[in-house]
Amino acid sequence: SQQGEEDPQALSIQEGENATMNCSYKTSINNLQWYRQNSGRGLVHLILIRSNEREKHSGRLRVTLDTSKKSSSLLITASRAADTASYFCATPMMGSQGNLIFGKGTKLSVKP
Amino acid sequence: KAGVTQTPRYLIKTRGQQVTLSCSPISGHRSVSWYQQTPGQGLQFLFEYFSETQRNKGNFPGRFSGRQFSNSRSEMNVSTLELGDSALYLCASSTGQGGETQYFGPGTRLLVL
Repeated sequence: SQQGEEDPQALSIQEGENATMNCSYKTSINNLQWYRQNSGRGLVHLILIRSNEREKHSGRLRVTLDTSKKSSSLLITASRAADTASYFCATPMMGSQGNLIFGKGTKLSVKP
Repeated sequence: KAGVTQTPRYLIKTRGQQVTLSCSPISGHRSVSWYQQTPGQGLQFLFEYFSETQRNKGNFPGRFSGRQFSNSRSEMNVSTLELGDSALYLCASSTGQGGETQYFGPGTRLLVL
């Protein structure tokens, strides 16, 4: 069963706008990770935020984590057409090394 | 460092056949995880190998198996293929410390006819 659930399922914006994706999860976590997948390809790791962190930045990406609400958000600022992809949140399954539990993803479309 | 590589990239098989997929992890990584991705079920964990031992297994039938070699390269095998096995199979490597970032290969797209 999926641990993380992204919202919205799909998002369409214009270049230059900001894109915000949300993720909710069910159980306690050590960290939460965000990945990007371009159409039908492998996943690329974007950012990892630990359970004792509330916010993390990487370039145009900003991730927040609220463990009390079991939720995280990914903000992409000043989006570009090249950001068009699916974005997934993932959490390591406790006691099961190498096992990341993924949400169903948000499909982001950035129009030039 | 070279990234994770997977071969073959595309594969077409018929029901009842078996298939072997290969994954070469990033140099120095000892953990390899395998995932199946389908439109309906999303990304699902198959199993994870570390130092030639399967440490964890997802909820898949015994037709799905794998192994890891001493150089950390891994293979997964699916026997008696079913139509529902059509999917993108992704492998990911990591140091194996647990819960850390995984680095994914480009995937093998399997189509079962």
